[in-house]
Amino acid sequence: AQSVTQLDSQVPVFEEAPVELRCNYSSSVSVYLFWYVQYPNQGLQLLLKYLSGSTLVKGINGFEAEFNKSQTSFHLRKPSVHISDTAEYFCAVSVQGGKLIFGQGTELSVKP
Amino acid sequence: KAGVTQTPRYLIKTRGQQVTLSCSPISGHRSVSWYQQTPGQGLQFLFEYFSETQRNKGNFPGRFSGRQFSNSRSEMNVSTLELGDSALYLCASSLMAGETQYFGPGTRLLVL
Repeated sequence: AQSVTQLDSQVPVFEEAPVELRCNYSSSVSVYLFWYVQYPNQGLQLLLKYLSGSTLVKGINGFEAEFNKSQTSFHLRKPSVHISDTAEYFCAVSVQGGKLIFGQGTELSVKP
Repeated sequence: KAGVTQTPRYLIKTRGQQVTLSCSPISGHRSVSWYQQTPGQGLQFLFEYFSETQRNKGNFPGRFSGRQFSNSRSEMNVSTLELGDSALYLCASSLMAGETQYFGPGTRLLVL
């Protein structure tokens, strides 16, 4: 069975500082990997995805993530955050598509 | 292109009642998935439909059911509501089964 662990439930950071949100997954088969963001009272917005190919994936709003198969990780990074990045971030895996398995989420709080 | 739409956005029901939630996928998308989001359990997969057929089902009681129509619109129904059914219900659509999912804004259900 597949599982996703987001290692930090809350990440406070100052504006313009870099940030890394950590995600580890467990699966015995190849997976697709995703990061979604959820702003208050909204649905999930796709930030980026890894399906195959280059292990460094660039997404929207300046975010990027690196797939590391040996460490079964898919950490999300941004070199300089803005107040508007304050939101909850979810890492998810999918096997053969369809069903997404989500981590518990990381609340990113950007302070001025 | 319009995104995934869900109606209603907010709903208040009492225990024992039933409820029907509606989801219209992105135009051209043929697969619809449903998820439940609660503070305690996080995001959990309910079911997935493709071409009017349920492809996959999560670990929820039989009170939770769904269907998909020929125009790809989907509904989910919860019968005999319990307090624990209070949640944000998210619908996601994808072009085909197994492809990247795009989420709607959700329906927030409160059971009193």
